[in-house]
Amino acid sequence: GESVGLHLPTLSVQEGDNSIINCAYSNSASDYFIWYKQESGKGPQFIIDIRSNMDKRQGQRVTVLLNKTVKHLSLQIAATQPGDSAVYFCAEFGGGGSYIPTFGRGTSLIVHP
Amino acid sequence: DAGVIQSPRHEVTEMGQEVTLRCKPISGHDYLFWYRQTMMRGLELLIYFNNNVPIDDSGMPEDRFSAKMPNASFSTLKIQPSEPRDSAVYFCASSWRGGQPQHFGDGTRLSIL
Repeated sequence: GESVGLHLPTLSVQEGDNSIINCAYSNSASDYFIWYKQESGKGPQFIIDIRSNMDKRQGQRVTVLLNKTVKHLSLQIAATQPGDSAVYFCAEFGGGGSYIPTFGRGTSLIVHP
Repeated sequence: DAGVIQSPRHEVTEMGQEVTLRCKPISGHDYLFWYRQTMMRGLELLIYFNNNVPIDDSGMPEDRFSAKMPNASFSTLKIQPSEPRDSAVYFCASSWRGGQPQHFGDGTRLSIL
């Protein structure tokens, strides 16, 4: 079956650096993508989303980029802070009005002060 | 504005005992999802409801697992009898309609001895 995967299971950065978390997806019909942040002991929390008719979307300190040609999604975090330390998941909706997201395995972001 | 509320937050019980996990979704959300999270398998969708009706329970591991949603503000996930391999974090999530970001509770950490 088709799945969502992540290139890097762990990413360590210094406070103040920019972070880039990557996600590869295999379902070319996917039309909606979400990034979630999961802190220790908590549930995943919505960060930002993007639809397939866009290739970039910006939020507060975060940017999501979508490259449909190579089926790649990335989350960029500017000026990374210790509070950004968490596991980040990408999730895709498989198109055709699919109600159920497929979650990737997650990338652990560690921010060193 | 209350989020998704799960109880208990932690549950430790012996193999063979019945376990009941509870969830209160966000008011006005029509979809409710139960997930299980483990290091080995990541986030797995167990079952989801639309307007209190179970739509897809194909992720429920076996007959020992059952879920109900008697009304729009309450759902339970029951495991009977429980086994050590059921140990995981169980999340409930809700969304106001299908194909929209899910809002997760903080989970129930279940340990079966």
